[in-house]
This record gives sequence, C-alpha cells and structure tokens, in this order.
Amino acid sequence: DIQMTQSPSSLSASVGDRVTITCRASQSISSYLNWYQQKPGKAPNLLIYAASTLESGVPSRFSGSGSGTDFTLTISSLQPEDFATYSCQQSYSTPWTFGQGTKVEI
Amino acid sequence: QVQLQESGPGLVKPSETLSLTCTVSGGSSRSHSWSWFRQPPGKGLEWIGYMHSSGSTNYNPSLKSRVTISIDTSKNQFSLKLSSVTAADTAVYYCAREKRSSGYPGCWFDPWGQGTLVTVSS
Repeated sequence: DIQMTQSPSSLSASVGDRVTITCRASQSISSYLNWYQQKPGKAPNLLIYAASTLESGVPSRFSGSGSGTDFTLTISSLQPEDFATYSCQQSYSTPWTFGQGTKVEI
Repeated sequence: QVQLQESGPGLVKPSETLSLTCTVSGGSSRSHSWSWFRQPPGKGLEWIGYMHSSGSTNYNPSLKSRVTISIDTSKNQFSLKLSSVTAADTAVYYCAREKRSSGYPGCWFDPWGQGTLVTVSS
C-alpha cells in the first residue's frame, strides 16, 4: 500500500493567514493526488484533484501543487469557513489511501 | 445534481454482518464506479472498496475476506456487507461516486453521502 503522510498534523492560524499543508507519498504517484476538506460531523468535500485542478465551485484561494512524492495545499488567505481538517488521497494504485489529516484551528 | 444517502442499522453485534445501502438520487448509478469508505472516531479515512456498474469489484486487501459490495442499478442503489464485525469496525461509513476524466488515469471522489455511524457492540 502507498502510505500518505501529512504535515503538520494540526496548525493554528488566523483569518487572513497564508496556510500551507504538505503531503508526502511513500513512492512516486505522479500527479494522482486529491485534496479534501472535512468539517466536524460532515462528509469530505473535494477541493482539488489531479494535484492542482480546482474543483468547480471551490474558491480560488485554494491551490495545489506538486508531483512525484511531494505535494502541497495552499490557502492564500484563510477565511473563517476554512477552519476544518484537510486530507490528501492518492489514486495511483489501489487500495486508495489517505493522509491522516491536518486540522486547521484558530 | 447527484446526491447519495447511506442507510442501515446504527448498531451491530460483534461477529454479525454489517449491512448498509447507498441510494443515488438526481442521477443514474450506471456508468460509474461507486465506493465505500469508513472513518473510525477521531481517525483518518479508509477506502473499503468499489463496484462498477458493469459488475467489476475491487476491495481493500485489509478487508477483502469480509467485504461484499453489490449494486442494483434498477433501484439506483449499491450496498456494503462486512461480515464478522468487531469493535474495530466501529466507524462512520460513507459512500461516494468515483469520478474520472478522459486522458487522466487517476480518479477522485465526489459527491459523498452524509455518512452513517455504525457502532459494533453487544
């Protein structure tokens, strides 16, 4: 199985901050990397697929980059509704696997 | 707009079989792959497996011996059965549609159902 490791596990930030979350794969996964946002008690919500393609309807302050083993999710200016947990997921090979999540807190 | 809704018992006894159904509305269950995931309390997401509307399946090897996913396209539903459950199977279970784009071999998941908590306890 491909292991996905996110860092940090949690972070504290303020509204307006630039936030960067990192996801590292245990082997090269090309650009087969997705990012999800999850709020407490809710289902994951797709933000970015194919490492850098913004899902329709997702604010442009979210962006993704990377390929191979190292990927980043950036929120350019944190908004109150962005406080949530963010998870990466690889679709290079089954079993599809997720990072452990990064909780963005105030 | 496609929406998914999980349904099934919220409490299952140890050693019994967990059974959940996901109902697809606003679209057809044909021509897509449909996946099940779970998330133990306070933990990360785990993919359980998928079934394509053609009937092909792919299961997580960690659960393969206990999992069956089936689909009923006439009812726009797909189902999960997980046998011989233990407390370690307590989790929120989600269903989701797999999406792909021509020319890109990868996939992603959208939409997701709201999730249903299944507790394994006597």
